[in-house]
Amino acid sequence: AQKVTQAQTEISVVEKEDVTLDCVYETRDTTYYLFWYKQPPSGELVFLIRRNSFDEQNEISGRYSWNFQKSTSSFNFTITASQVVDSAVYFCALSTPKGSGNTGKLIFGQGTTLQVKP
Amino acid sequence: SAVISQKPSRDICQRGTSLTIQCQVDSQVTMMFWYRQQPGQSLTLIATANQGSEATYESGFVIDKFPISRPNLTFSTLTVSNMSPEDSSIYLCSVGQGYSRIEQFFGPGTRLTVL
Repeated sequence: AQKVTQAQTEISVVEKEDVTLDCVYETRDTTYYLFWYKQPPSGELVFLIRRNSFDEQNEISGRYSWNFQKSTSSFNFTITASQVVDSAVYFCALSTPKGSGNTGKLIFGQGTTLQVKP
Repeated sequence: SAVISQKPSRDICQRGTSLTIQCQVDSQVTMMFWYRQQPGQSLTLIATANQGSEATYESGFVIDKFPISRPNLTFSTLTVSNMSPEDSSIYLCSVGQGYSRIEQFFGPGTRLTVL
């Protein structure tokens, strides 16, 4: 069975602190995709990143970075120098391909609520 | 990425009634998905809507309760039938995007409250 676990329910930090959101996944598929989404208080779901199972390179985008480790089945997300605007619920998700390139359903973790205080 | 809109953005409904949610995309897409997010919870896939065929429902969701239409490659509707307070949720549609359609992008959601 496929599963995504985000053990941290809520995290509170003070602005400019670094914060890491943990994500652990389970799947028996050899090809899969991992995602992070951000859901601000307004409710929309914003796509942040997608990682393929065959690409373990870490990625950095501005203040955001992602650490993918197949050995520990983890795909952690770090925000450097956090800002109040980073306050949101962050979801980690997993999917496996269906057919020739079609996207499969997303299995979401329970989400981590991040509060960044000024 | 595609621009996805949903109508209504929110609604308050009475128990026993039905609500139809619309999802419009500004480009043709093969697969559209409907998710439910109950209050304070994560997202759960209701069904996959393919144009020209019946929707595929996930375990725990049935067509009689959540009928879906997909008349063309840019539009889909989800109906929440015979509503009860337990149906109060955010309902989101999403589409596969990107080079290999792996990424899913979401509409703004419909916030439904059932009294």
